[in-house]
Amino acid sequence: KQEVTQIPAALSVPEGENLVLNCSFTDSAIYNLQWFRQDPGKGLTSLLLIQSSQREQTSGRLNASLDKSSGRSTLYIAASQPGDSATYLCAVSPRGSYIPTFGRGTSLIVHP
Amino acid sequence: ETGVTQSPTHLIKTRGQQVTLRCSSQSGHNTVSWYQQALGQGPQFIFQYYREEENGRGNFPPRFSGLQFPNYSSELNVNALELDDSALYLCASSLAGTRTYNEQFFGPGTRLTVL
Repeated sequence: KQEVTQIPAALSVPEGENLVLNCSFTDSAIYNLQWFRQDPGKGLTSLLLIQSSQREQTSGRLNASLDKSSGRSTLYIAASQPGDSATYLCAVSPRGSYIPTFGRGTSLIVHP
Repeated sequence: ETGVTQSPTHLIKTRGQQVTLRCSSQSGHNTVSWYQQALGQGPQFIFQYYREEENGRGNFPPRFSGLQFPNYSSELNVNALELDDSALYLCASSLAGTRTYNEQFFGPGTRLTVL
């Protein structure tokens, strides 16, 4: 059974810092990994999708990497802003299945 | 292009009652998945519908059921509500064939409170 762990559970940083959020998974036979953002009480917004054959994806100030062999992904946020404050979730989809497993998320606060 | 919409936004029910939640998929998407997200947890997969047929199910009892309509909108029905059913219910749509996971687009969710 796939297990997804996100560390840290919560993070509070001053504006402008570069930060790294971590996601680890136990079964490396994955189809893809997706990072989401969730604002309090709201739905999920897709940030980046990395296919199993890819090593990283970039969108603006966000960069996500994938290392299947070690069962890890990182989300790098450059020059953080107060508007980045949200919960960040990663979801792993296994090969041969359409059922993603989510982590519990990292709650990020960026203060001015 | 319209995104995924869900209704209602919030709902309060009592134990034993039944509830129906609705989802309208993103334009052109033929697959819809439903998730339950308890406070402080990641979303848990309930089931997926593809071309009006249930395409897979997570670890949820039969009192959780669903429908997908020809226009790809969907309903989630929960019977005999329990206190633990209180959660944010999320709908996600995607363009996929069977057994293929493609990028999912989520709606804003319905917050269900069971008293």
